[in-house]
This record gives sequence, structure tokens and C-alpha cells, in this order.
Amino acid sequence: QKEVEQDPGPLSVPEGAIVSLNCTYSNSAFQYFMWYRQYSRKGPELLMYTYSSGNKEDGRFTAQVDKSSKYISLFIRDSQPSDSATYLCAMKDNQGGKLIFGQGTELSVKP
Amino acid sequence: EADIYQTPRYLVIGTGKKITLECSQTMGHDKMYWYQQDPGMELHLIHYSYGVNSTEKGDLSSESTVSRIRTEHFPLTLESARPSHTSQYLCASRQGSNQPQHFGDGTRLSIL
Repeated sequence: QKEVEQDPGPLSVPEGAIVSLNCTYSNSAFQYFMWYRQYSRKGPELLMYTYSSGNKEDGRFTAQVDKSSKYISLFIRDSQPSDSATYLCAMKDNQGGKLIFGQGTELSVKP
Repeated sequence: EADIYQTPRYLVIGTGKKITLECSQTMGHDKMYWYQQDPGMELHLIHYSYGVNSTEKGDLSSESTVSRIRTEHFPLTLESARPSHTSQYLCASRQGSNQPQHFGDGTRLSIL
């Protein structure tokens, strides 16, 4: 069983929709959670970084962490065609452990 | 924001050739990483370094080697390329134990 599970999609939504991207994990030692956005033929770009349960908001993006359920989410409000990309969740423990990635969710926002 | 550069961006080359993928960062980060990424799959760590003259193998077995002679430079070498090495290779760096990693744009390698 993988340590991090992420629905690979693809996910297709109309412009303006609210998008919910999700990851579950099995290792309760994970303390740091990241969301990366990866455009085609580019490297992953850090979107959100959090280390506590609850919500963190940055513009149209909200990262949510529920450590008791081992579940993290990324919400995108008022989605735009420019949000079309693959979104990767990633997490690590606080003992110098390696970063573990989900396999990514491919999102397409249609105008 | 980290500035991290990878060259070449794309490489198509024949079997048996020696290849070096370059990775440089300008932020003075101690920690650097190489990942392999195939379509629809998660990133797999193949090498990492916590500083000059420090290199370690990652979780995914790889026939490549790395060196870290300077803080800013972390090249990856394949002595004899094979079609099974065809993949995207991503370099990343970070500073501090729990800071996020920042990535370059990758090298897309195709071995014929």
C-alpha cells in the first residue's frame, strides 16, 4: 500500500467552478504538507505549505489538513483555464525524512 | 524563491552514450535532490545530497551517479545510457530541515 494516495483524475470542470483535490495518507508521523502545481513540460511549483491542522488560504487557493483523518485537500475557487495543470500533494515527517509525493491529479478547466 | 536551473531541457541520444544532466541553484541551499518522474506516476527520489562531498542513494534504484563538489552544482551522470533510462529527471533544492523543496523545470531524456 502506498503511503500517499491521490486520485489521478483526469478532472475536467467549467471555468468558475470550485475544485477540490484530495490526498489520503497512512503515516501518522507526517507533519508537513505541500501542494505543488506542475504545468506541462515544467517542474513542480510550490503552491501551498502547511504544518498544522486546519485551513490555510492564499488568494483563490485553500489548503486543508485533517491529521486525525489523515486527509488533506486543496480547494480552488473561481477556477480559471490557467489553473489547468497537474496538482501534486507531498508530505514529510519532522525527523529529516524524505518527501513523499502523491501521483498527481490532472485538472482541466474549460472556458 | 529558489532559482534552480537544469540543462539540457531535452535530450535524445543513442544507447551506450555517457550522459551528464546538469543542475545548478543560486540560493546557497545545502540540500539537493534528483527525482525521476514518469507520466501519471509519483516522483521517485533517486539521489540526494546534504552538502559538499555528501551524496546518498534514494528510494528508487538507479544506475546513475551524482557528485557534489560545489554547493551550487549537483550533476547526474549515466555512464552508458539505455532505453530503460528514458524518463523526466527533476532536480530540487531546499534550505533547512523542514522547508519545502523547490524544483527546476527538468530534463526530458529519451534514449533510442
